[in-house]
Amino acid sequence: EPEVTQTPSHQVTQMGQEVILRCVPISNHLYFYWYRQILGQKVEFLVSFYNNEISEKSEIFDDQFSVERPDGSNFTLKIRSTKLEDSAMYFCASSAETGGFYEQYFGPGTRLTVT
Amino acid sequence: AQTVTQSQPEMSVQEAETVTLSCTYDTSESDYYLFWYKQPPSRQMILVIRQEAYKQQNATENRFSVNFQKAAKSFSLKISDSQLGDAAMYFCALGTQGGSEKLVFGKGTKLTVNP
Repeated sequence: EPEVTQTPSHQVTQMGQEVILRCVPISNHLYFYWYRQILGQKVEFLVSFYNNEISEKSEIFDDQFSVERPDGSNFTLKIRSTKLEDSAMYFCASSAETGGFYEQYFGPGTRLTVT
Repeated sequence: AQTVTQSQPEMSVQEAETVTLSCTYDTSESDYYLFWYKQPPSRQMILVIRQEAYKQQNATENRFSVNFQKAAKSFSLKISDSQLGDAAMYFCALGTQGGSEKLVFGKGTKLTVNP
């Protein structure tokens, strides 16, 4: 069965550094999402992406964040200058369509540790 | 604003017994969807069951069923004949149509299944 994959599984970075988290959505899916979960807290929506542009973003998704679909398969989340509070599990998800609320398929997550 | 509350951080059940996980939510939307996701240790979240708010009949998927009380904004998950493989974090999530169909999650309930 097709799966969403994410790399790396764990990323350690120093405060102020840039990181890129990578996701490969399911191949025929059209909608892509990033969520994050700070340890002990809720899974929070960051951003959704459709047709090569952001369709919605949360208050968390400020100017230090960006998303890109650089080719036909990858979907990336870039954090330009990491802060300690960016330490979290980041989940990518994809869905086939919208308009009927299709299932979102989640990747295994990338654990980001900012030191 | 939409919110999802899971009041049970942890639950345990004996193998073959039945357990119910609680979830309450709040939304001003009339058209929405509710989900239970399961996240086994170190694995991705997978969809267990979904409920469309316009449907009065409670959803069932094999050993998993929901008790959807729309007026009370309650959406509990019942797991019958619990198996060791049911041990996981369970997340309740709310989605509304329009825009990006982002999901709003609860904090999760950690389910332990005792042999």
